[in-house]
Amino acid sequence: VQLLESGGGLVQPGGSLRLSCAASGFTFSSYAMNWVRQAPGKGLEWVSGIIDSGTPTYYADSVKGRFTISRDNSKNTLYLQMTSLRAEDTAIYYCAKQMGLSSFDYWGQGTLVTVSS
Amino acid sequence: QSALTQPPSASGSPGQSVTIACTGTSSDVGGYNSVSWYQQHPGKAPKLMIYEVTKRPSGVPDRFSGSKSGNTASLTVSGLQAEDEADYYCNSYAGSNNYVVFGGGTKLTVL
Repeated sequence: VQLLESGGGLVQPGGSLRLSCAASGFTFSSYAMNWVRQAPGKGLEWVSGIIDSGTPTYYADSVKGRFTISRDNSKNTLYLQMTSLRAEDTAIYYCAKQMGLSSFDYWGQGTLVTVSS
Repeated sequence: QSALTQPPSASGSPGQSVTIACTGTSSDVGGYNSVSWYQQHPGKAPKLMIYEVTKRPSGVPDRFSGSKSGNTASLTVSGLQAEDEADYYCNSYAGSNNYVVFGGGTKLTVL
C-alpha cells in the first residue's frame, strides 16, 4: 500500500489549493478515505472523510463550507479542494486509508500547506 | 466536535508498563467499539497500533494492548523499550454527524 500526497505549498490568506493523494497497492474503490492534518507542533486533527463510492462525505466543523473532499476511483486518487484558506489551516495534510468505522491503517507521508501573506 | 481527552505526557523506565487514557463521551468512545491508537515518531507519519479497542494489526508487538471501560479507552505498553518513546494518539468513531474525533495526544518518555 502506498499513499502519495501532493499539491501543498505556500498560499495567501483567502486563497485556494487542491491536494491530491495517489493510491496504489490496494483496491482503492473499496475503501473509505480521509484527510487528517497536523499543525506545526500540534496534534492530529481529522479534517474530512469520503466513503468508497464517493457519497456521503464528512467534514470537521473547522473546515465545513470551505473544503471539499472528492475521489476519482478510475484514477485511484483522493482530492481535497481547499478555499478561503486561513492562517490556522497551516499544517501537514495526510491522506489515510480507512479500515472499519474509524481506524486509519495506512497513511501517506504528508504534504505541507502554509497559509501566510 | 470536541477532542478526546488524553494526558499530555506519560513516562516509564525500560521494562516497566505504562497506561495512557483516552476519555470521551457516550457519543464517541462509550458508544462504539471503534477506538484506535496511533504512534507517531518525530517527523514521521502516524502508525496504527490498536484498532477496534483491543485488536493489533499484523507486525505490532504484543507489548501493546488496548481496553475500554465506559467512556474511557486505554493503551497499555508493557515491557517499555527505548523505541516506544513517541507521541500517541487515540481516535474514535463519533457517529454519522461528527464521524471521527482524535485525542490531543500523549508524549511518552522512556526514562
